[in-house]
Amino acid sequence: NAGVMQNPRHLVRRRGQEARLRCSPMKGHSHVYWYRQLPEEGLKFMVYLQKENIIDESGMPKERFSAEFPKEGPSILRIQQVVRGDSAAYFCASSPSSGALSYEQYFGPGTRLTVT
Amino acid sequence: SQQGEEDPQALSIQEGENATMNCSYKTSINNLQWYRQNSGRGLVHLILIRSNEREKHSGRLRVTLDTSKKSSSLLITASRAADTASYFCATDARGSYIPTFGRGTSLIVHP
Repeated sequence: NAGVMQNPRHLVRRRGQEARLRCSPMKGHSHVYWYRQLPEEGLKFMVYLQKENIIDESGMPKERFSAEFPKEGPSILRIQQVVRGDSAAYFCASSPSSGALSYEQYFGPGTRLTVT
Repeated sequence: SQQGEEDPQALSIQEGENATMNCSYKTSINNLQWYRQNSGRGLVHLILIRSNEREKHSGRLRVTLDTSKKSSSLLITASRAADTASYFCATDARGSYIPTFGRGTSLIVHP
């Protein structure tokens, strides 16, 4: 049973370009969470999705950031018109049920975004 | 401010010694979890402890929870060089399913 997959592992974008990060949850998991981690910091919650639904996006910046989890295919975190401050590691986690910490989350290896 | 805050920020010990990390939080919680993160990798779940539990063990790991003090501790006994990593606590406040992570404790175990 493959774990949570994220790609790409590393992404370099110039300011103003778009960054698209993908996350495939573990088999059988229908809940996906995205987090951002800055160096020497903990993870900051961004968005919680179920298939075809955004459940909570309270941690996501209102502009330039969007997320989706379509019926088929991976979850996508999209950052438009990237700026240097978007440089961070972005982690995806999945779980088989809601109530995020009622069931442990399984994390992917992360995508390291560098904006030059 | 952060719901969970780990202490100390960094810990350096010799192999074979015990390592203790603490986590404090502010509001009532349903659960508290500890995760490990190796450099450049994703987080790995270690232990979940529910608010009505006081202590849990998993191998060389021992977690305690004191809800009256709003604190938890993670003890790693007989540490190994492979335990070198950052350790995070994550809490979900009552009424919220959004986990909040602390800044972590960076543990270095010298061989």
